[in-house]
Amino acid sequence: AQKVTQAQTEISVVEKEDVTLDCVYETRDTTYYLFWYKQPPSGELVFLIRRNSFDEQNEISGRYSWNFQKSTSSFNFTITASQVVDSAVYFCALSEALVLGNMLTFGGGTRLMVKP
Amino acid sequence: DTEVTQTPKHLVMGMTNKKSLKCEQHMGHRAMYWYKQKAKKPPELMFVYSYEKLSINESVPSRFSPECPNSSLLNLHLHALQPEDSALYLCASSQEEERPDEQYFGPGTRLTVT
Repeated sequence: AQKVTQAQTEISVVEKEDVTLDCVYETRDTTYYLFWYKQPPSGELVFLIRRNSFDEQNEISGRYSWNFQKSTSSFNFTITASQVVDSAVYFCALSEALVLGNMLTFGGGTRLMVKP
Repeated sequence: DTEVTQTPKHLVMGMTNKKSLKCEQHMGHRAMYWYKQKAKKPPELMFVYSYEKLSINESVPSRFSPECPNSSLLNLHLHALQPEDSALYLCASSQEEERPDEQYFGPGTRLTVT
C-alpha cells in the first residue's frame, strides 16, 4: 500500500531564510506521480508541481525547487528566501498509475510559518 | 480559467436539516471529486465522478449524497448529519479520472453541524 510521510509537522522561519520541507513516500508501483500542494489559510489547495517516477530531474520555479531522489524515496521541496506569503500548510501527495480514480494519497502536511 | 467555485463558504446546520453544497468548474474537466478535511489533517477522498457518473465512493455514510447534474456541476446533499461531520468540504476537478493529472481545488465549504 502507498504511504506518504511528512515528518515535519510545523516549521517556523524568519523571512528570507531558506527552508526545506521533507517528503518520503512508499509505493510498490514502478509508475507513480508525486505532487506538492499549498493550502493557505483561505482553504483551497493550490497545485505546485507534479513529477512522474521516470523523471528524476530536479526542478526550479522561481524561489521554489524540488529534489526528487528515487534511491531514498524522497521528494523534498525547498523555498529560497522565504516570504510571509509562503506561510501555509504544504502537502506532498502520491498517485499510483494503476489506481483508478486519480486518487491522491496525502502526507500529513507541514505547516510553514514565515515570520517578518 | 482555472477556477473551481464552491458555495456556500460557510454553513451551519442542525442535525435534522437538509442542505446542499455546490461546486462548479468551467475548465472542461471530466473528473470531479469531493474531499472532507478535518482540522490539521490532510484531505480525505469521499467521492469521484467521472464523465458524470459516480466512479468511487470511499465508504461514505449515506447521509452524504453526491450528485453530478452535468459535467460542470457537482453537488453534495447533506441530511441528518452528526456533529463529527463538521469539517471543510473541498471540491476538486481534473481532466480525466484515468490520468494522474493535477487536481484543481475550490476554496471549500466550512460546515458546522450543531
